Amino acid sequence: GENVEQHPSTLSVQEGDSAVIKCTYSDSASNYFPWYKQELGKGPQLIIDIRSNVGEKKDQRIAVTLNKTAKHFSLHITETQPEDSAVYFCAASRTTSGTYKYIFGTGTRLKVLA
Amino acid sequence: KAGVTQTPRYLIKTRGQQVTLSCSPISGHRSVSWYQQTPGQGLQFLFEYFSETQRNKGNFPGRFSGRQFSNSRSEMNVSTLELGDSALYLCASSNRGYLVFSYNEQFFGPGTRLTVL
Repeated sequence: GENVEQHPSTLSVQEGDSAVIKCTYSDSASNYFPWYKQELGKGPQLIIDIRSNVGEKKDQRIAVTLNKTAKHFSLHITETQPEDSAVYFCAASRTTSGTYKYIFGTGTRLKVLA
Repeated sequence: KAGVTQTPRYLIKTRGQQVTLSCSPISGHRSVSWYQQTPGQGLQFLFEYFSETQRNKGNFPGRFSGRQFSNSRSEMNVSTLELGDSALYLCASSNRGYLVFSYNEQFFGPGTRLTVL
């Protein structure tokens, strides 16, 4: 069935360093890939997304890259700050045939050490 | 614009009881999806409602059901609660249209933490 693998499950970085989280999806028809940040006691917050017709997207310190051939996409956070500490989820979705459900990765707990 | 709201935020029930959770989407959003989040299984899709009709369904037993009202508010019901139903239940809304190639940006509410004793 459809699944999304996410690595690593935990990641610790020093403040100011970069963090990279990788996801691989199985459904080749997936065409929309959002990333969410979830802080303790809160719902997931959309931080960036990418569509299948784009290879890279950047928003300030956050960037996402997509390799459709290899079916993987990655989140890059530069100049990490303590407030970046949270759990990050990737997801894959396809919007053909009226199918809109998200398949989520298992999450990455990012700790930014001051 | 107000975000997605969910009520109640916390709920404690006992096995065998039933529970109803409520979700109010962002104004103008017609699509509401429900997810179950647990430490062991992560975020799992329950179902999606669009214009009062269930459009997609995940792999959950029939004890999990939902509905959507004409104002796009949605409720989720779990009957005959089991210990394993303890989880954070998340609602997400989207302003997608029901068209092919309509991208689906979803915005999540804070969730309802359900504990089954």
